[in-house]
Amino acid sequence: KNQVEQSPQSLIILEGKNCTLQCNYTVSPFSNLRWYKQDTGRGPVSLTIMTFSENTKSNGRYTATLDADTKQSSLHITASQLSDSASYICVVGGDYKLSFGAGTTVTVRA
Amino acid sequence: EAGVAQSPRYKIIEKRQSVAFWCNPISGHATLYWYQQILGQGPKLLIQFQNNGVVDDSQLPKDRFSAERLKGVDSTLKIQPAKLEDSAVYLCASSLEAGWMETQYFGPGTRLLVL
Repeated sequence: KNQVEQSPQSLIILEGKNCTLQCNYTVSPFSNLRWYKQDTGRGPVSLTIMTFSENTKSNGRYTATLDADTKQSSLHITASQLSDSASYICVVGGDYKLSFGAGTTVTVRA
Repeated sequence: EAGVAQSPRYKIIEKRQSVAFWCNPISGHATLYWYQQILGQGPKLLIQFQNNGVVDDSQLPKDRFSAERLKGVDSTLKIQPAKLEDSAVYLCASSLEAGWMETQYFGPGTRLLVL
């Protein structure tokens, strides 16, 4: 069964600090991994998308890494801002289907 | 560029009633998706359209859920009759094509509460 596990479930950080979110998956076959940001009451917005040949991809202060051998990905947020408060969802594509994680809720406090 | 539009944004109904949601994808996007997102979970695909044809509806509870995209543009999702466990956010998304690297653009969702 294709599964996507995210950790932690939630975290609180102070403005200006960094944080790292984790994603482990068992999706097979694997084609790509995406990170989405979902603000409260809004639909998810794509941050990054990586194929199995890519190890890292950045989008501003967001940097995603992928280790296709260990089936792990991380999303690093640098110098967090209040606007980073959201749910971050890891999505793994394989066999023309997407498997969604439950998300990590990040709260940034001033 | 206008995003994916959905209406209504909120809906409260009693169990066994019917409800319909509407989605207008980004202009020119051939692929349209309906997802159900229960509180605290990631979205679950209900149905995927390519133009006006169904590509995947394997997780759609067909005894109560139905969806159509008659002219290959707008889409409606209907629940009849609704159950308590249908309380969720219903997200519509669209992409240019159905390729595995395509980015999906999501609408704001319709939040449904079944009492």
